[in-house]
Amino acid sequence: DVKVTQSSRYLVKRTGEKVFLECVQDMDHENMFWYRQDPGLGLRLIYFSYDVKMKEKGDIPEGYSVSREKKERFSLILESASTNQTSMYLCASSSGTGMGGYTFGSGTRLTVV
Amino acid sequence: GEDVEQSLFLSVREGDSSVINCTYTDSSSTYLYWYKQEPGAGLQLLTYIFSNMDMKQDQRLTVLLNKKDKHLSLRIADTQTGDSAIYFCAESPGRRALTFGSGTRLQVQP
Repeated sequence: DVKVTQSSRYLVKRTGEKVFLECVQDMDHENMFWYRQDPGLGLRLIYFSYDVKMKEKGDIPEGYSVSREKKERFSLILESASTNQTSMYLCASSSGTGMGGYTFGSGTRLTVV
Repeated sequence: GEDVEQSLFLSVREGDSSVINCTYTDSSSTYLYWYKQEPGAGLQLLTYIFSNMDMKQDQRLTVLLNKKDKHLSLRIADTQTGDSAIYFCAESPGRRALTFGSGTRLQVQP
């Protein structure tokens, strides 16, 4: 069963901490994405990557960075966590054409206190 | 997503049909998608439609696309309690990532 795996289901971090959210896919997909989901706002794109070592900013990249050293892994980094980054974070991947849509991970619910 | 709009809530009775509506803005979208999110889970692709189609049917699901009005709808026939979830539509603007709507919470009353 192909899947996207996010390393943590729930995470609680303190303000100012550096936070790493990990995402791994086993489908050999070229494209990977990070979204955050907040009630009433839907999914908002943070960063995405079309290839190894490549990244592009999404709609809300401020306060975040990403790393894609290997094709299967896409990491989201919160350089200095703040309370307004408390959210559900969703990772997704897709093939080059994107025709089949995205496969999503189960999400990481991050709380910053 | 400010570019993709959906109503926030829909309540139907079990056995009735549900219709979830969506308007999008990017006429260059090649594909339009419907995703389902059950409580505590990620998004699951339900169906998608190619932009040169008007309609696509897949078992209980019917997708209608009106390109002129940039309107997309998802009809679920014979709605069941297991269909209770949040439904997201999404557009695919060029080479950028999918843009999602805010999601419509479907509540199915027994």
